Amino acid sequence: EPEVTQTPSHQVTQMGQEVILRCVPISNHLYFYWYRQILGQKVEFLVSFYNNEISEKSEIFDDQFSVERPDGSNFTLKIRSTKLEDSAMYFCASRGTQGSNQPQHFGDGTRLSIL
Amino acid sequence: SQQGEEDPQALSIQEGENATMNCSYKTSINNLQWYRQNSGRGLVHLILIRSNEREKHSGRLRVTLDTSKKSSSLLITASRAADTASYFCATVTPKAGGTSYGKLTFGQGTILTVHP
Repeated sequence: EPEVTQTPSHQVTQMGQEVILRCVPISNHLYFYWYRQILGQKVEFLVSFYNNEISEKSEIFDDQFSVERPDGSNFTLKIRSTKLEDSAMYFCASRGTQGSNQPQHFGDGTRLSIL
Repeated sequence: SQQGEEDPQALSIQEGENATMNCSYKTSINNLQWYRQNSGRGLVHLILIRSNEREKHSGRLRVTLDTSKKSSSLLITASRAADTASYFCATVTPKAGGTSYGKLTFGQGTILTVHP
């Protein structure tokens, strides 16, 4: 069964450094998402991406965050200048094209640790 | 309370017993979904129920939706040790005046432990 893959599985970065989290969504999906889960807290929506542009973003997704689909397969989340509070699990998800009544498929996540 | 609140927060049962988890939400929805998360892993989609549906089954899973009470329940029958995981409900809400791109709003989750 096709799956969403994320790399790396664990990223350790110094505060203030830039980090890029990578995702390969399911190949025929057109809707892409990033979520994060701070340890012990609920999963929070960051951003959705469709037709090569951001379709919706949360208050968390400020100017330090950006997303890109540089080619036909990758979907990346960049944090320009990381803060301690960015430490979390980051999940990528993708969805097919049959409307919002379709499930999202999640990757296993990248654990981001900011020192 | 926030959109997508589950209870109980933790549930411990013996193998073979049924497990019931509840979820409440605050706003109107397009659909409600249940996901499972094994420790350190991603979220696995279990079942989606649309706002005009009342009950749905998938294998040992049964989900109900009561839009008048803004609540849903997930029943796992004949539980197994492998069902040990966190279970989350998540809602997709209609976007006023625009297209819903399917953003999921998650609850805090229920930690289910099934003892062999």
